[in-house]
Amino acid sequence: DAGITQSPRHKVTETGTPVTLRCHQTENHRYMYWYRQDPGHGLRLIHYSYGVKDTDKGEVSDGYSVSRSKTEDFLLTLESATSSQTSVYFCAISEEGTGYTFGSGTRLTVV
Amino acid sequence: KQEVTQIPAALSVPEGENLVLNCSFTDSAIYNLQWFRQDPGKGLTSLLLIQSSQREQTSGRLNASLDKSSGRSTLYIAASQPGDSATYLCAVITGGFKTIFGAGTRLFVKA
Repeated sequence: DAGITQSPRHKVTETGTPVTLRCHQTENHRYMYWYRQDPGHGLRLIHYSYGVKDTDKGEVSDGYSVSRSKTEDFLLTLESATSSQTSVYFCAISEEGTGYTFGSGTRLTVV
Repeated sequence: KQEVTQIPAALSVPEGENLVLNCSFTDSAIYNLQWFRQDPGKGLTSLLLIQSSQREQTSGRLNASLDKSSGRSTLYIAASQPGDSATYLCAVITGGFKTIFGAGTRLFVKA
């Protein structure tokens, strides 16, 4: 979506390797989120950020870490990828009183 | 615990029909409610955001209403078109980063 980009769009990686997904925004929104979307589970929150260096866990945070060193960038790292982390990952942004804007997603396959 | 239900799970209608998608939630203490559409393999596109003090929002052929007391929101689509075929999700934004997404309604509009 305009103002928020995710990279890469697609990635295939091997089990046990670290993987980093990037979310970049140009909207200067305070809040950023990482979700994963899986059939039968819908959208689930992994981690979120409420400011530079301010992050917290969501409902499915095990095996994931995040970092936000700049307002515009929010990184999601899979420390040691597993097959259960094969999913579509979405980044979203929001601001006080506004709704969510989502990125186009990253399709990650762990083989 | 907030729970969000979307009914029906899937819907097939002929082109030109007016239709209503439903979103129910169990806790009326919400900030906002947002409707999205998601095309296959794509991200979520925001359609309408209803703030808690509002009762409805309109955009083109779309109208969304919110009744917090009954825990219900509806998305009305007028004069449906094949291009409206997508999955429609509602998101109940309750604050504290506890946004709950419905599982979605898959809509197919037949030409």
